[in-house]
Amino acid sequence: AQSVTQLDSQVPVFEEAPVELRCNYSSSVSVYLFWYVQYPNQGLQLLLKYLSGSTLVKGINGFEAEFNKSQTSFHLRKPSVHISDTAEYFCAVSASGGSYIPTFGRGTSLIVHP
Amino acid sequence: GAGVSQSPSNKVTEKGKDVELRCDPISGHTALYWYRQSLGQGLEFLIYFQGNSAPDKSGLPSDRFSAERTGGSVSTLTIQRTQQEDSAVYLCASSRLTENYGYTFGSGTRLTVV
Repeated sequence: AQSVTQLDSQVPVFEEAPVELRCNYSSSVSVYLFWYVQYPNQGLQLLLKYLSGSTLVKGINGFEAEFNKSQTSFHLRKPSVHISDTAEYFCAVSASGGSYIPTFGRGTSLIVHP
Repeated sequence: GAGVSQSPSNKVTEKGKDVELRCDPISGHTALYWYRQSLGQGLEFLIYFQGNSAPDKSGLPSDRFSAERTGGSVSTLTIQRTQQEDSAVYLCASSRLTENYGYTFGSGTRLTVV
């Protein structure tokens, strides 16, 4: 079984500042990792995913994440945020073989202030 | 359709009544997932359908919850004798497993039990 911990429930930041949303996972097998964004009253939208290969993954809207196997982390970063990035962000993990059911973290609310 | 469609978008029901939530996955997506999103709780896995295989029901919280998927396409999640703690947003997702586990989510059904 896998688990995901998102260390911050809420991250306030000013517009144009950099941001990092933290995600740590636990698994006894190799994993795939995902970040999703949820805007108010909408479903989840895939930002980026790590399956294999390069540990630095680039996604949509200028976001990127780095897979660190030794630290079992997959932190999400953006060098300069916009007001429109205000949303809920979810980290998810699934086993790379066998069950394809992703496990989600509790989410981090990113609040961008002008 | 172009995306995952869920209906209704909102449902208010009286305690003790049965409700049915519907999910239309993306055409050709063989995998279908139901999740429940409660305030501050992240996404809780409920049930997973993959093709013609027996569904993985390991996430269903009680025997009041059931789901079926007809013809490998549309899915219905049924909650019998609803309780106030069933109030949540119910999210459906689908994926084509050959496309490296990108999950597409619907906008969800917000269920309120009064």
